[in-house]
Parts: sequence; C-alpha cells; structure tokens
Amino acid sequence: NAGVTQTPKFQVLKTGQSMTLQCAQDMNHEYMSWYRQDPGMGLRLIHYSVGAGITDQGEVPNGYNVSRSTTEDFPLRLLSAAPSQTSVYFCASRSGTTNYGYTFGSGTRLTVV
Amino acid sequence: GNSVTQMEGPVTLSEEAFLTINCTYTATGYPSLFWYVQYPGEGLQLLLKATKADDKGSNKGFEATYRKETTSFHLEKGSVQVSDSAVYFCALSPPSGGSYIPTFGRGTSLIVHP
Repeated sequence: NAGVTQTPKFQVLKTGQSMTLQCAQDMNHEYMSWYRQDPGMGLRLIHYSVGAGITDQGEVPNGYNVSRSTTEDFPLRLLSAAPSQTSVYFCASRSGTTNYGYTFGSGTRLTVV
Repeated sequence: GNSVTQMEGPVTLSEEAFLTINCTYTATGYPSLFWYVQYPGEGLQLLLKATKADDKGSNKGFEATYRKETTSFHLEKGSVQVSDSAVYFCALSPPSGGSYIPTFGRGTSLIVHP
C-alpha cells in the first residue's frame, strides 16, 4: 500500500501565483484533512472532508480551496499565493468507521517569494 | 472546547536515559488518545493509542496509559536511543458521534545524545 501520497514534495511560487497541492490515498478512507505546520505553531487544520462531495473549513481556511470529487483524492488549491502561506503542508486520512488514528503524507514544503 | 497540552521542549537526554513527555487534555466524554512521532523531514506517524480509561498503548518500547482521573496520557520509554530523536505529538479524537476533528498538542522535540 502506498498510503497517503502528496505531490510535489517541494515548490517555490511567486506572490500571486496559484497552484494545487495533490493528495491521494489508497486505503478507502472516508475522512481526509489538510494541515499546515509552522515553527512554534504546531499543526493547524485548513480544510477537511468526511466523504466524497463533502468538505468544510478548519481553523485557517482563508486563501485555500478544496474539493472532494472521489474518495481517493483531496487536492488543496492556493488561489493567489502570499508569503504568509510559506509552510509545510500535510494531508492526512483515516477510516470513518474505525478510529485507528490518522495516516499522514510526507508533506509538501512550499515557499512563496 | 477540546484541548491538548504538552510539555515544552526540547527535551535533551543521553542515550539509555528514561524518557517522560507529559500530556494532559481537556475534553467532554471519553475521547481516544494518541501519540504521533515526526522524524526530521517526514510526516507524522502513529506511535500508539488508547481508546478508554486505564488502557495502555505501547509500541517500539514506548508506553502511555490513559488516566481519566488526571486527564493525562504521558509518554514513557525506559531507555532511549539516538534514533528516537524526533518531535512527539499528543492528540485526542472525540468520542463517536461527536466532531470528526482531532486536536493535536504543539509537539515536544526530543534530542538524544550518544
């Protein structure tokens, strides 16, 4: 099993550019989430989904969009990148029926210049 | 609301020393409790979990006991190794029927010297 796959691993953007961070899982997990991790801030929830076609905002959703058209994929879109969005982004998933904890991807390190 | 409080790091130990990382929580009902580990440059990995009071989770020599009376889930290891150097996150997941969103602590960095 591949688990949770995130692409790209590294990305540099210019201010104002848009891009999509990809996340795919092959475990048939209902729940998927996006977090950002900044020094001293821990993990902050951006958006989450409890199933295909259902998404909701987390703690820090501004500047980001998500959609969930399939169970497997949960892309995160940056609409107009800002330096404040420089961070490490993690996608995570878990089963909706049994709570064995979340499986995390290896992260995308994004720098906005 | 739910919250998780971890001791601040970094925690610096010599190899073979005893490790304790404190974690306390605030939640309604009976949440599930987790410890995750993050090695440099990687995502978080589930280390161990406990789903009800007095349960002990264990993995790779690490242990934590779900203490309802003190709302705690402290992580312990009897003899740490250099390879245990990482950031450790305590987390809670609400009971079934509640919010699906877990609450994470801010993480505690562990540095083990040879």
